[in-house]
Amino acid sequence: EVQLVESGGGLVQPGGSLRLSCAASGFTFSDYSMNWVRQAPGKGLEWVSYINSISSSIYYTDSVKGRFTLSRDNAKNSLYLQMNGLRVDDTAVYYCARERPRGVVDFWGQGILVTVSS
Amino acid sequence: AIRMTQSPSSLSASTGDRVTITCRASQGISNSLAWYQQKPGKAPKLLIYAASTLQIGVPSRFSGSGSGTDFTLTISCLQSEDFATYYCQQYYNYPPGTFGQGTKVEIK
Repeated sequence: EVQLVESGGGLVQPGGSLRLSCAASGFTFSDYSMNWVRQAPGKGLEWVSYINSISSSIYYTDSVKGRFTLSRDNAKNSLYLQMNGLRVDDTAVYYCARERPRGVVDFWGQGILVTVSS
Repeated sequence: AIRMTQSPSSLSASTGDRVTITCRASQGISNSLAWYQQKPGKAPKLLIYAASTLQIGVPSRFSGSGSGTDFTLTISCLQSEDFATYYCQQYYNYPPGTFGQGTKVEIK
């Protein structure tokens, strides 16, 4: 059974940092590109970041460039999103998302809430 | 960036109805379009990709069509479990994979 389990969310003050993790199981993690997609409360879906299977291509949406860093450890079947300089408008549920075929999310984690507030 | 516009933003329908949701891209995206269903408090679920290819396990009452800039998602006979929010997403210019704003299907 495919599973993506996010962790590391919570409440943080503006300017603070969090590191989200996504533990993958039930499939060959190293074969897949991965993404983070977020959803602000009551809003739609917003793609955040992408990493290919060997970490040679990494992309970010403009609003998080320079603040967020995406990485993966294929030996540990894990995906990470280091979030620095957090802003109130980063408040959202963050979903770890598997991609197959290219650009299509075929499996989503359950999501983890990040709240940025003073 | 390519913008995706869905219409309507919400609709009310009854079980058994045929429902159509439209998604328009700000520029041509060939058939690089996916549809997702999201229920409250849950992660989205992939329904259709490549504009018309049904994801494994998705009921055949769901169908997709279109190419270029205009796309539709049709639910042929609405079931109670289909009341949800639906999103389109382009992946022609990817990343990013931009989403539409969503269409909420509510019970009439």
